[in-house]
Amino acid sequence: DQQVKQNSPSLSVQEGRISILNCDYTNSMFDYFLWYKKYPAEGPTFLISISSIKDKNEDGRFTVFLNKSAKHLSLHIVPSQPGDSAVYFCAASEGGGATNKLIFGTGTLLAVQP
Amino acid sequence: ETGVTQTPRHLVMGMTNKKSLKCEQHLGHNAMYWYKQSAKKPLELMFVYSLEERVENNSVPSRFSPECPNSSHLFLHLHTLQPEDSALYLCASSQDLTSGGTDTQYFGPGTRLTVL
Repeated sequence: DQQVKQNSPSLSVQEGRISILNCDYTNSMFDYFLWYKKYPAEGPTFLISISSIKDKNEDGRFTVFLNKSAKHLSLHIVPSQPGDSAVYFCAASEGGGATNKLIFGTGTLLAVQP
Repeated sequence: ETGVTQTPRHLVMGMTNKKSLKCEQHLGHNAMYWYKQSAKKPLELMFVYSLEERVENNSVPSRFSPECPNSSHLFLHLHTLQPEDSALYLCASSQDLTSGGTDTQYFGPGTRLTVL
């Protein structure tokens, strides 16, 4: 059973508007969460992360929100730009793990329309 | 070359072939990883190496055999694979193996493997 779920395989947004990508998790031991972005023919690249002691982390146009009680996190991109079109992966890690192990979701394909 | 490189980028092999995937990182990192991404599935961690020592084998079948001769290079030796092993194989590296996943992993572009 998947411990990290991204239930929306795809999302289409107009340029300049907000993109909201969602992620749910089931393992209450997860305490560090990350978003990766992947363009075609490239490997995933780290975008932003959040520790479970916070509920929000912001980096420029990207903000990640964490709702621990709901076991839910979301990535907000505002304003969205055509260059943001990519697959976005949510990932989580369990505290105390010795191998830096990440559990990934299946990804959401974001298309930002000009 | 910068970052993490992988060769070949595409590989087609028969079930009786033996082939190897190569990964090289130019970041001075101490940890390296192999991931598998099958269609419509999440990235699955296969192996983790730290300072050339394997520290995790995520229940991977023995037809996949990793090798880490030094901290910059990682290989995945393949033999007698099955068609269901067709996938994108991604290599990653991180500075170290900090507890809790906080060591950012840097990924290569992947090798697209097709097993006939």
